[in-house]
Amino acid sequence: DAGVIQSPRHEVTEMGQEVTLRCKPISGHDYLFWYRQTMMRGLELLIYFNNNVPIDDSGMPEDRFSAKMPNASFSTLKIQPSEPRDSAVYFCASSYRGLNTQYFGPGTRLTVL
Amino acid sequence: RKEVEQDPGPFNVPEGATVAFNCTYSNSASQSFFWYRQDCRKEPKLLMSVYSSGNEDGRFTAQLNRASQYISLLIRDSKLSDSATYLCVVSTPNTGFQKLVFGTGTRLLVSP
Repeated sequence: DAGVIQSPRHEVTEMGQEVTLRCKPISGHDYLFWYRQTMMRGLELLIYFNNNVPIDDSGMPEDRFSAKMPNASFSTLKIQPSEPRDSAVYFCASSYRGLNTQYFGPGTRLTVL
Repeated sequence: RKEVEQDPGPFNVPEGATVAFNCTYSNSASQSFFWYRQDCRKEPKLLMSVYSSGNEDGRFTAQLNRASQYISLLIRDSKLSDSATYLCVVSTPNTGFQKLVFGTGTRLLVSP
């Protein structure tokens, strides 16, 4: 059974460019989460969706960040314009019925130069 | 103050040693507790849940003290493969589901 799939695995871009991260949750899971991980701040929840609807985006750092979930099997996290301080590993996770076990994707390592 | 605090380590131990990690949390409304494991450059994975009565899974024992808002993880007979970062995780109520709050992790290095 496939786990959470994320793409790209690595992204290197220049400041000011638009970055789009993609996620496919585990089939049947109705919750999807986007996290960001840095050495200083650890793993932080950015936004989560329930049945494709954004429920809480209070963790999104600023208006440059946006997330969508057009259907149950696909979500995107977009940063426009990107800045060097956005460099981090971005994880997508999914769970069933909000049960506590969240399954993480392999992450996207983003470097903004 | 961080919502979940852990000693970052690293803890350097020889194979076969027993090692313990501690974690404190600040939100008394927290309801569920977990330890996740994260290998270098990999995603976090659930290691075990933590129950009020304490629970064991093979070489791993987790304990919770709600009064002190303190969680622990004990690893007995450490293996080289236990080398990883261990994340203390607490869930708190949030708009109808339990939001997970992660500690920054404690790094464990087991040497031959």
